[in-house]
Amino acid sequence: DAKTTQPNSMESNEEEPVHLPCNHSTISGTDYIHWYRQLPSQGPEYVIHGLTSNVNNRMASLAIAEDRKSSTLILHRATLRDAAVYYCILRGGDGGSQGNLIFGKGTKLSVKP
Amino acid sequence: SQTIHQWPATLVQPVGSPLSLECTVEGTSNPNLYWYRQAAGRGLQLLFYSVGIGQISSEVPQNLSASRPQDRQFILSSKKLLLSDSGFYLCAWRAGTGVDTQYFGPGTRLTVL
Repeated sequence: DAKTTQPNSMESNEEEPVHLPCNHSTISGTDYIHWYRQLPSQGPEYVIHGLTSNVNNRMASLAIAEDRKSSTLILHRATLRDAAVYYCILRGGDGGSQGNLIFGKGTKLSVKP
Repeated sequence: SQTIHQWPATLVQPVGSPLSLECTVEGTSNPNLYWYRQAAGRGLQLLFYSVGIGQISSEVPQNLSASRPQDRQFILSSKKLLLSDSGFYLCAWRAGTGVDTQYFGPGTRLTVL
């Protein structure tokens, strides 16, 4: 699986937008970009995923660079409940027989009131 | 809707004692099932995955084992716990095909003393 690079930590103010970057320069043409987040003392939860086009859902938006070598997770209005570790993960489209997710260290997002 | 359960939520065990953690999934059939461990301050490490009843693949050699006696039941076991087995154990499931969205359980926090 291709590797991703994320900043170790980021800070945001409550009710401001947050842009969480992820670099994946060795991404292959069939790799999907997935984002998960892990709140303190909880299991990770799915946030969003995309292939080439930008994606929006109720939790966040995913902006994918035209060359697909980087992406940005956008939280439009950060709340205190968004404080978590955010993981950017690449996986092939069919996931193979395992569908394993390889978690890196992620970005720890702190939200200040 | 699908739900995933893990129990117990917390567990304190002495070194050398046995372990049995259980995970069950509701609302889906023939899921892929996963066991992850997260040591304190570390990322998630995949331990085992299963694509069907009785089919177990191990990602990391260690003194843990996994079993899948029923379609939606996944069990993590050990005959003799080590101090290094302490951590946050997470079970996850994924639909058997398609894009790899994984859904995680609430986790079991294991402390080995």
